[in-house]
Amino acid sequence: KAGVTQTPRYLIKTRGQQVTLSCSPISGHRSVSWYQQTPGQGLQFLFEYFSETQRNKGNFPGRFSGRQFSNSRSEMNVSTLELGDSALYLCASGTLWVTNTGELFFGEGSRLTVL
Amino acid sequence: KQEVTQIPAALSVPEGENLVLNCSFTDSAIYNLQWFRQDPGKGLTSLLLIQSSQREQTSGRLNASLDKSSGRSTLYIAASQPGDSATYLCAVMVESGAGSYQLTFGKGTKLSVIP
Repeated sequence: KAGVTQTPRYLIKTRGQQVTLSCSPISGHRSVSWYQQTPGQGLQFLFEYFSETQRNKGNFPGRFSGRQFSNSRSEMNVSTLELGDSALYLCASGTLWVTNTGELFFGEGSRLTVL
Repeated sequence: KQEVTQIPAALSVPEGENLVLNCSFTDSAIYNLQWFRQDPGKGLTSLLLIQSSQREQTSGRLNASLDKSSGRSTLYIAASQPGDSATYLCAVMVESGAGSYQLTFGKGTKLSVIP
């Protein structure tokens, strides 16, 4: 069973540009969530999608957005990049039905460097 | 607001030693608690998941306990090996409304096992 796949794995952008990251969840998983990891703040929740609907959003500015497609694949976009957006962006998938354990499975992440 | 604290931030032990990593959280209304391992530059690998109604889980040399009333969890690693060197992250899953869930992470414990 394939795991969570994130692309690209590494990318370098300059301030003011925008970036789109992609996440393909484990087959059958309809919930996809995104997390940002930085040395200073650790891992922080960005947003969660389920069946193409954003159900929850963390405390990030509107420059951070996302979407989910009918095949459960998800993308996140960051516009007008700032130096502080340099981070490892992790995607996690799960089923999160009420009877489910709630276990999340993480991808390898996309390492974004903003110059 | 849920806060997760992990102590110690770093730990260095000789090979073969048994060790305990600590995690505390401020709000006992959790769905589950998960322990993850992260190797440098990599994503998160799930180690153990404890449901809110459970007290402990075991996998091989790993044992995790949960005391929800006191807001504490411990990860016990028996007979440590150099391959156990990594950062260990504790995360609690909470329900955030509209059927959504999110993980709140601690900052992690960086473990070094010396041969």
